Amino acid sequence: EDKVVQSPLSLVVHEGDTVTLNCSYEVTNFRSLLWYKQEKKAPTFLFMLTSSGIEKKSGRLSSILDKKELFSILNITATQTGDSAVYLCAVEGRDDKIIFGKGTRLHILP
Amino acid sequence: EAQVTQNPRYLITVTGKKLTVTCSQNMNHEYMSWYRQDPGLGLRQIYYSMNVEVTDKGDVPEGYKVSRKEKRNFPLILESPSPNQTSLYFCASSSLDGPTWDEQFFGPGTRLTVL
Repeated sequence: EDKVVQSPLSLVVHEGDTVTLNCSYEVTNFRSLLWYKQEKKAPTFLFMLTSSGIEKKSGRLSSILDKKELFSILNITATQTGDSAVYLCAVEGRDDKIIFGKGTRLHILP
Repeated sequence: EAQVTQNPRYLITVTGKKLTVTCSQNMNHEYMSWYRQDPGLGLRQIYYSMNVEVTDKGDVPEGYKVSRKEKRNFPLILESPSPNQTSLYFCASSSLDGPTWDEQFFGPGTRLTVL
């Protein structure tokens, strides 16, 4: 059965810290992995990864995919209170299905 | 403005009373999908559609129906709702980006309570 596992499920850090969120997957016919941020509403897109080893960056956020070890990480440096959210990892697999992990709830303390 | 709209945003109903949640996108996207989000379970795909008249089951299709008669619309139908379908529902759409589907754009969500 296809699955996407995110860790940790919850994380509390202080403003200015760097955090690393993990996403591992077992998905048949992997096509892409996407990261989303969800605050108190609909998820919004962060990154899409299809190739191993190529880092995607956007400001203080970055992400990379390892297709051999079947995982991705999302890094956030110099965290701010506005980074508090649930971070979702999703994988597109066989038959065009999309499987989400349960998310990592990140809370940044001022 | 490019967007996905859902209606209603909030709905309280009773067991067994048929309901439809509408979803519409104005981005000419081929792919549309319905998810439910429950505490501790994350987003789970209910049904998805890769184009008009093409629909397929996601991970939790039981108790739901969909149709894709037009490219822009993808309604979710609950023929006989039950309390275990109380959830937050999201509709999403995306376009094809080479061999993969691109990022999904999500609607604002529909909070459904079935008594």
